[in-house]
Amino acid sequence: DVKVTQSSRYLVKRTGEKVFLECVQDMDHENMFWYRQDPGLGLRLIYFSYDVKMKEKGDIPEGYSVSREKKERFSLILESASTNQTSMYLCASSPRDRGAEQYFGPGTRLTVT
Amino acid sequence: AQSVTQLDSQVPVFEEAPVELRCNYSSSVSVYLFWYVQYPNQGLQLLLKYLSGSTLVKGINGFEAEFNKSQTSFHLRKPSVHISDTAEYFCAVTRPNDYKLSFGAGTTVTVRA
Repeated sequence: DVKVTQSSRYLVKRTGEKVFLECVQDMDHENMFWYRQDPGLGLRLIYFSYDVKMKEKGDIPEGYSVSREKKERFSLILESASTNQTSMYLCASSPRDRGAEQYFGPGTRLTVT
Repeated sequence: AQSVTQLDSQVPVFEEAPVELRCNYSSSVSVYLFWYVQYPNQGLQLLLKYLSGSTLVKGINGFEAEFNKSQTSFHLRKPSVHISDTAEYFCAVTRPNDYKLSFGAGTTVTVRA
């Protein structure tokens, strides 16, 4: 069974802290994605990785960075957390095939106080 | 760049009644279209997708969608809903030469007995 796991379901951090969100997939997928989900805005792509050590900015990369040192793991980093980064963060993966389904993790609800 | 508009943010419906969720996209080129569902406290999962071929696409859980190129729409339908269909539904679009999805804002379906 396809599996995308995220390190935490709920996380509370203080303003200015460095925050790491981890995502692991067990499907040997080439592509991995980080989205944030906010009410009324749907999902917005933060970063995308199409291979190990390769990354591409999405629609809202400001304030975030990513790391992909191994194929199965894709980390999202908030360099200095701010209250406007309070959100639900979703990780997804997909194979390289065009039109392929993205498989999503359960999400991490991050609160920055 | 392509974009997606989901015309209804909330759709209340009675059990065993039909439901239609409307999705319009804007793109000057060919697109791939997807519907995802998010049950409470879960990640997203694929309901169905249109890549090419027949414009009527059947998905899981009795859902279907019709691709209409002239109206740039991809509306989702189910003839008879269950309580368990209560969820948020997202329409998404991508280009055939891309992996990144653009999501709509979502439609919350609440099924009442």
